[in-house]
Amino acid sequence: DTGVSQDPRHKITKRGQNVTFRCDPISEHNRLYWYRQTLGQGPEFLTYFQNEAQLEKSRLLSDRFSAERPKGSFSTLEIQRTEQGDSAMYLCASSLRRSVDVTQETQYFGPGTRLLVL
Amino acid sequence: DAKTTQPPSMDCAEGRAANLPCNHSTISGNEYVYWYRQIHSQGPQYIIHGLKNNETNEMASLIITEDRKSSTLILPHATLSDTAVYYCIVRVGRLDFGNEKLTFGTGTRLTIIP
Repeated sequence: DTGVSQDPRHKITKRGQNVTFRCDPISEHNRLYWYRQTLGQGPEFLTYFQNEAQLEKSRLLSDRFSAERPKGSFSTLEIQRTEQGDSAMYLCASSLRRSVDVTQETQYFGPGTRLLVL
Repeated sequence: DAKTTQPPSMDCAEGRAANLPCNHSTISGNEYVYWYRQIHSQGPQYIIHGLKNNETNEMASLIITEDRKSSTLILPHATLSDTAVYYCIVRVGRLDFGNEKLTFGTGTRLTIIP
């Protein structure tokens, strides 16, 4: 178990540029989540996948954001035309859903990608 | 999911027990109490969860009041590496559409003092 990994760990970009982040979940985890965290706040849910299907998107996920998990393994989160308000830590988590019992599912988080938009 | 209230910050001396309170007065009968923590520059880490009975694992103990309106996370012998933001989350026990996500508040910033 190598844990959830995210790449890059840090990204500085200029306003208006596109950025893409990658998340590699724990092997065999069928669920993958994206969260965003701004300074002094707890993480906020953005979207999640079960295998390759994107099942829920938050209202926070504007049209400039798109997430994919093409083969049900790694996922990418792309932000187009970045704005200064997009500056945040982007966290990925994965879990193995075995049943509808929430106590059987633990979300394991990666270290995050810290984005700074200048 | 029910809303939780936590103190914004707490200090605890190294080696002493750290007791972190959480108020969840609107919790429903099918909602669990979860605790996560986030060490600086890392992603959140699961600690423990419970429904109504007290729970203990290798990291911590969770004490839930009989009326389930509040709970306390106990770190029995705090170390410097326990310095982190601790989040108390209430979560419906059944995973259905819309319930899969974790809803974090602002948490309690716990500082362990040498």
